[in-house]
Amino acid sequence: EVQLQQSGAELGKPGTSVKLSCKVSGYNIRNTYMHWVNQRPGKGLEWIGRIDPANGNTIYAEKFKSKATLTADTSSNTAYMQLSQLKSDDTAIYFCAMILDYYDGTYYRFAYWGQGTLVTVSS
Amino acid sequence: DIQMTQSPPVLSASVGDRVTLSCKASQNINKNLDWYQQKHGEAPKLLIYYTNNLQTGIPSRFSGSGSGTDYTLTISSLQPEDVATYYCYQYNSGPNTFGAGTKLELK
Repeated sequence: EVQLQQSGAELGKPGTSVKLSCKVSGYNIRNTYMHWVNQRPGKGLEWIGRIDPANGNTIYAEKFKSKATLTADTSSNTAYMQLSQLKSDDTAIYFCAMILDYYDGTYYRFAYWGQGTLVTVSS
Repeated sequence: DIQMTQSPPVLSASVGDRVTLSCKASQNINKNLDWYQQKHGEAPKLLIYYTNNLQTGIPSRFSGSGSGTDYTLTISSLQPEDVATYYCYQYNSGPNTFGAGTKLELK
């Protein structure tokens, strides 16, 4: 069974950084991309970016290019996201997600999500 | 980045109604579109992938269609447990993007 276990809630002061983790069990992250998505209070889902853990290649949404840094440790099967220069606007739930595409004559797509990490930015 | 516009933002319907949610992309996304359902306090759940493929375990009252820039999620007979926010999600090119969501309520 594939599971994504995210780290616990964070309280960060403005101007500081936090690093979130997402540990995957049941699947080797070398074989997929790891995505990060946020959701501000009462708002919709925003795609932040994704990393290819096999080579470290990343793609970010434009607005997160100077905010988020995605990394991955294949030895521990864990993805990370660091958020820098925290502002109150960064207060949100942050999800990691793994989307798998599989083809055996029929196309299948599976999406696995972590439970989310609440980041609260406050002095 | 590709922009995804969902309409309506809020939809009120009655149990048993046929419900249609729309999603329009700012450019051709070649059917590379998923639909997610999110209930309050939960992680999103994949309902439909690649425009019209029903995810395993999802009731057959959900269906998807579309091509080019215009996509639709249809619920053939609304059930109380379908109350949620629905998001379209494109993964065709460049940064992936979500629509702003359609909140589905019971009338």
